[in-house]
Amino acid sequence: DGGITQSPKYLFRKEGQNVTLSCEQNLNHDAMYWYRQDPGQGLRLIYYSQIVNDFQKGDIAEGYSVSREKKESFPLTVTSAQKNPTAFYLCASRRTGNTEAFFGQGTRLTVV
Amino acid sequence: AQKVTQAQTEISVVEKEDVTLDCVYETRDTTYYLFWYKQPPSGELVFLIRRNSFDEQNEISGRYSWNFQKSTSSFNFTITASQVVDSAVYFCALIDAGGTSYGKLTFGQGTILTVHP
Repeated sequence: DGGITQSPKYLFRKEGQNVTLSCEQNLNHDAMYWYRQDPGQGLRLIYYSQIVNDFQKGDIAEGYSVSREKKESFPLTVTSAQKNPTAFYLCASRRTGNTEAFFGQGTRLTVV
Repeated sequence: AQKVTQAQTEISVVEKEDVTLDCVYETRDTTYYLFWYKQPPSGELVFLIRRNSFDEQNEISGRYSWNFQKSTSSFNFTITASQVVDSAVYFCALIDAGGTSYGKLTFGQGTILTVHP
């Protein structure tokens, strides 16, 4: 079945560690996005990519990094520079044009 | 800058009641798209509807209906005869169709709907 797969579902990070969240899609979508969800704040855009080997910062990119080496994959690294990383992270993809985005099931990151 | 505001943070109803979720948006673009998503406890956002700025026709899909009023910049969502399975967080979102938007969705804060049996 086509869809977006995020892994892991739960992730625990120690202070000072970098961690990478995986996002894979088999929908043949060009555009991919990473959002962060905090209680009461809706979803905020971290990074997005329209094509392979190109990506742009969103509204809250500080402390995060991404890569887009393959069309299907858009991993997000939460670096030690991100001071408050505990949140729910959602990956999305969409075709070009103003179509709806499809979302993965999310990764819940907790700092321990 | 775009902005989406969902006035209700939480709504609690009893099963079979009708409930309306409000959404007000701001954009300087004349061409834009509005969306509603449902987020059940599992976490994934489920697409419900897309509406473009030139189509103000209301839409009904089963127990769901949407009222788009450009004059008041509102895109409200009504669930008729609510059921426990409707309990979720609902998000309203906006994309402008301008060349620099890159399809970036601007989300409202979300409305937590709880339907009690």
